[in-house]
Amino acid sequence: AQSVTQPDIHITVSEGASLELRCNYSYGATPYLFWYVQSPGQGLQLLLKYFSGDTLVQGIKGFEAEFKRSQSSFNLRKPSVHWSDAAEYFCAVVPMDSSYKLIFGSGTRLLVRP
Amino acid sequence: GAGVSQSPSNKVTEKGKDVELRCDPISGHTALYWYRQSLGQGLEFLIYFQGNSAPDKSGLPSDRFSAERTGGSVSTLTIQRTQQEDSAVYLCASSSLLSETQYFGPGTRLLVL
Repeated sequence: AQSVTQPDIHITVSEGASLELRCNYSYGATPYLFWYVQSPGQGLQLLLKYFSGDTLVQGIKGFEAEFKRSQSSFNLRKPSVHWSDAAEYFCAVVPMDSSYKLIFGSGTRLLVRP
Repeated sequence: GAGVSQSPSNKVTEKGKDVELRCDPISGHTALYWYRQSLGQGLEFLIYFQGNSAPDKSGLPSDRFSAERTGGSVSTLTIQRTQQEDSAVYLCASSSLLSETQYFGPGTRLLVL
């Protein structure tokens, strides 16, 4: 079945530590790929996106993500986490046969230890 | 420029009442989307408008839900005879004609008592 999987419900890291949030998708053709962040009580803010080309994508707030076709993954990374990064992170895809509907993963809540 | 705006920010209603949620998309964006975010179901697509084309209503959970978009801009999501399971955050997004990137509003948090 077509799906987007974020296997980690919660992740806790110390401030200054590196971060990797996992995302896997299951679609026949590579969809458009997105990462969004949601702070408490806020809407969704786009961090970065991948449509084609260079598989390492740079986003806002120092985030990057790498598309790996062989693993059907689009993991989000940050070399050094700040306390303000504590939020919920959603991986999302727009399947090629949909052209507009965003399909979201279940989200990963990031907690940052001082 | 201004982002997507939604009103009200919060809405508390009694079961059985009707509610209207409003979305103002980014100026010039032809596509508008409604999503629902609830504890049990995560983020779900509800409805999609693109220009003057017929909307894609395939995500609406029941016939109590409807949406319209007037003049190709502002949209209203209406929930009739609200039920407690309708309690959720309703998010609106918009995108331009040539982009797959959707920009979200802050959402309306609906609580049905």
